[in-house]
Amino acid sequence: GQNIDQPTEMTATEGAIVQINCTYQTSGFNGLFWYQQHAGEAPTFLSYNVLDGLEEKGRFSSFLSRSKGYSYLLLKELQMKDSASYLCAPRASGAGSYQLTFGKGTKLSVIP
Amino acid sequence: DGGITQSPKYLFRKEGQNVTLSCEQNLNHDAMYWYRQDPGQGLRLIYYSQIVNDFQKGDIAEGYSVSREKKESFPLTVTSAQKNPTAFYLCASSIAGRSTDTQYFGPGTRLTVL
Repeated sequence: GQNIDQPTEMTATEGAIVQINCTYQTSGFNGLFWYQQHAGEAPTFLSYNVLDGLEEKGRFSSFLSRSKGYSYLLLKELQMKDSASYLCAPRASGAGSYQLTFGKGTKLSVIP
Repeated sequence: DGGITQSPKYLFRKEGQNVTLSCEQNLNHDAMYWYRQDPGQGLRLIYYSQIVNDFQKGDIAEGYSVSREKKESFPLTVTSAQKNPTAFYLCASSIAGRSTDTQYFGPGTRLTVL
């Protein structure tokens, strides 16, 4: 089975930087996805990490440490529209590797 | 415009009735998925299909059924056997067969059983 842990809620100020952590335990490992989900809408893809290190994509970066079972999503220059839930989703390897298991999500509130 | 469509956006049904949620994609993706989302919970996998005429149960398949007769379509039937069907249902698709496979989601159907 898989165990995924991420904070339930976070609050940050517009223009600031916020880091959303995710720890996981999986049966094998075949990459980790981050998705953004605005309230009442579908998740949208943000990033995918399969190797250790930092992947930067504009204001958003994602980090992975496979040995520690740890990832984080870094959001810079926060904007009000970044208020959303952020879902961590590691992928297992082997049988069932088509499946993603999603964490419960971190609800980020950006305040003026 | 390529994408995934789900209809309707909101659906109301009486308890004891079966209901079918539609999911169509024109991305030429091989794999399709159905998830359920409840407040305070992560997305949970109901069924997935890697190719036409083949599908597998996910973590919470009881009370649901699917078919995959066409590559573009993966309808989900919520049967009367599903004890708590009120939820937000999300369909997704991916190219399939590669480890970098990203799942892309449709807009979702919010089902309320009265």
